[in-house]
Amino acid sequence: GAVVSQHPSWVICKSGTSVKIECRSLDFQATTMFWYRQFPKQSLMLMATSNEGSKATYEQGVEKDKFLINHASLTLSTLTVTSAHPEDSSFYICSANGQRFPYEQYFGPGTRLTVT
Amino acid sequence: AQKVTQAQTEISVVEKEDVTLDCVYETRDTTYYLFWYKQPPSGELVFLIRRNSFDEQNEISGRYSWNFQKSTSSFNFTITASQVVDSAVYFCALSGATNKLIFGTGTLLAVQP
Repeated sequence: GAVVSQHPSWVICKSGTSVKIECRSLDFQATTMFWYRQFPKQSLMLMATSNEGSKATYEQGVEKDKFLINHASLTLSTLTVTSAHPEDSSFYICSANGQRFPYEQYFGPGTRLTVT
Repeated sequence: AQKVTQAQTEISVVEKEDVTLDCVYETRDTTYYLFWYKQPPSGELVFLIRRNSFDEQNEISGRYSWNFQKSTSSFNFTITASQVVDSAVYFCALSGATNKLIFGTGTLLAVQP
């Protein structure tokens, strides 16, 4: 149980375009979803926290207009990187937790974004 | 403020050696959770263990063991008889009252055959 999927697993896009990444909890209802970014050989950095039906809370230094997060249902959150630039190239990982285990986050497999 | 320190950036061992990965944390929360994750080259995080702040019992799972000591704010991870498949980046993480996970910088473990 507690499986989280991400789509796509990797994506290449041209500079200036927007990219949407989906995060789904497959077998549980996710009350909260988290989005992380990981640059090569670095740690995971939390970008934002989202609760179903409400606006995401962004961490300091993360541009909310650039990284649009929509948590439309208890099983789906999306991250849209708008007007992507090469410096946005990174590994994006989502996680989710549910009411049953609020202190444990279940991670998706990640999405590798390359902006050319 | 919450912080997780993994002082060992890279460790290289030969297969069958024992290896300990260090983790030191800082938090003002009285209730908190500590985690260890493994990240192989594929990138997907693999959950290894969760420990809450009220449970200082050491845990053993096969070749893996964890030593939680509140007195020194440490949560160290030992792999016994390491194998090549253990090669990965290992992250220690802390979650407190906000439920946000704070990750350490990770330790790259290379197990040589």
